[in-house]
Amino acid sequence: ETGVTQTPRHLVMGMTNKKSLKCEQHLGHNAMYWYKQSAKKPLELMFVYNFKEQTENNSVPSRFSPECPNSSHLFLHLHTLQPEDSALYLCASGIRVSYNEQFFGPGTRLTVL
Amino acid sequence: GIQVEQSPPDLILQEGANSTLRCNFSDSVNNLQWFHQNPWGQLINLFYIPSGTKQNGRLSATTVATERYSLLYISSSQTTDSGVYFCAVLLGLTGGGNKLTFGTGTQLKVEL
Repeated sequence: ETGVTQTPRHLVMGMTNKKSLKCEQHLGHNAMYWYKQSAKKPLELMFVYNFKEQTENNSVPSRFSPECPNSSHLFLHLHTLQPEDSALYLCASGIRVSYNEQFFGPGTRLTVL
Repeated sequence: GIQVEQSPPDLILQEGANSTLRCNFSDSVNNLQWFHQNPWGQLINLFYIPSGTKQNGRLSATTVATERYSLLYISSSQTTDSGVYFCAVLLGLTGGGNKLTFGTGTQLKVEL
């Protein structure tokens, strides 16, 4: 248990569906992150939020829409995804100011049909 | 951007054996983390080590920042050590906070 939870753990959706991934951290951190892990590719950063403000978008397609209502919760809204978006989506949290370590949730394994 | 390379890509050990995993990075970094990813995808923090040596049970890690590499030692391996080991370097972001850039990982399988 890392103090970061994610729901759902598994998700299967069609290309025309709209779904949302949820992340919650119980560590008192003020920075939250979405990472993507595709088969045969290194984990890559998608978005960074500091104090609820998006500070980094790593050229992510607009069909992925993040939302951070407060420092403890992070969402990733999905719409009109493609099969190549199938991946493990990992949420992480950390402390904005210093180069402290990041802690990860268990991930959501997404399959797009 | 910074490159992070890990070796070996795959490793098979007999239970009880020792091993060394290596992580090379192409530029100066603010910090470095080692993770173990279990078969269910969970990334487990092993070490947070900008320099020097740390030990935690059968695992230890050494980072030589001036030479841009880090090593993870696993001693007396057990089947539960199986999984993928990632190193990731921590870099600051202009907007605040930091980001992790991951290596490609070492897939470890420990057999009885």
